[in-house]
Amino acid sequence: EAGVAQSPRYKIIEKRQSVAFWCNPISGHATLYWYQQILGQGPKLLIQFQNNGVVDDSQLPKDRFSAERLKGVDSTLKIQPAKLEDSAVYLCASSIGTSGTNEQFFGPGTRLTVL
Amino acid sequence: AQSVTQLDSHVSVSEGTPVLLRCNYSSSYSPSLFWYVQHPNKGLQLLLKYTSAATLVKGINGFEAEFKKSETSFHLTKPSAHMSDAAEYFCVVSPGGFKTIFGAGTRLFVKA
Repeated sequence: EAGVAQSPRYKIIEKRQSVAFWCNPISGHATLYWYQQILGQGPKLLIQFQNNGVVDDSQLPKDRFSAERLKGVDSTLKIQPAKLEDSAVYLCASSIGTSGTNEQFFGPGTRLTVL
Repeated sequence: AQSVTQLDSHVSVSEGTPVLLRCNYSSSYSPSLFWYVQHPNKGLQLLLKYTSAATLVKGINGFEAEFKKSETSFHLTKPSAHMSDAAEYFCVVSPGGFKTIFGAGTRLFVKA
């Protein structure tokens, strides 16, 4: 069974530029998560989709971050414009069910460096 | 408020000795609790989870954790550390099955 795929693996941009990350969850998984993991910290949930609807985006900086999950499958996360403090690893995860009791399967992450 | 606190940012043990990684949580709802492990340059992987069944939960690689409601704790233990256990460990709470809150992580060092 294929795991959660993310691309790109690494991205370096200058501040005020825009960037997009892509995630393809495990086939059949209803719930998709995007996390931000700053160096030395635990992952912080940015947005959670259930199929193609948003369940929780309370910690998403909506003035600069946006995310979509078209057709309830793969997803993109965009940052526009980027700030220095956005430097982090962006993790995508998926789970088969719609409850927080389900195991989440994580992708390898995209490491973003903002100069 | 919902939160999770990992009491140690770093733990160092010798190979073959017991491991204890401490986690306390705060939840207004019956929580689901998880431990995930992150090895260098690898993705996060589930070690074990508690979802209101048995309070002593066994996971992969010899790890186990005990849910103690009275102490609001979910400490992770292993009787004998192996070099391959060196990694970052995250305690995670999902209050009532909603939201997902990660702790700050505990880095485990294993000395030969």
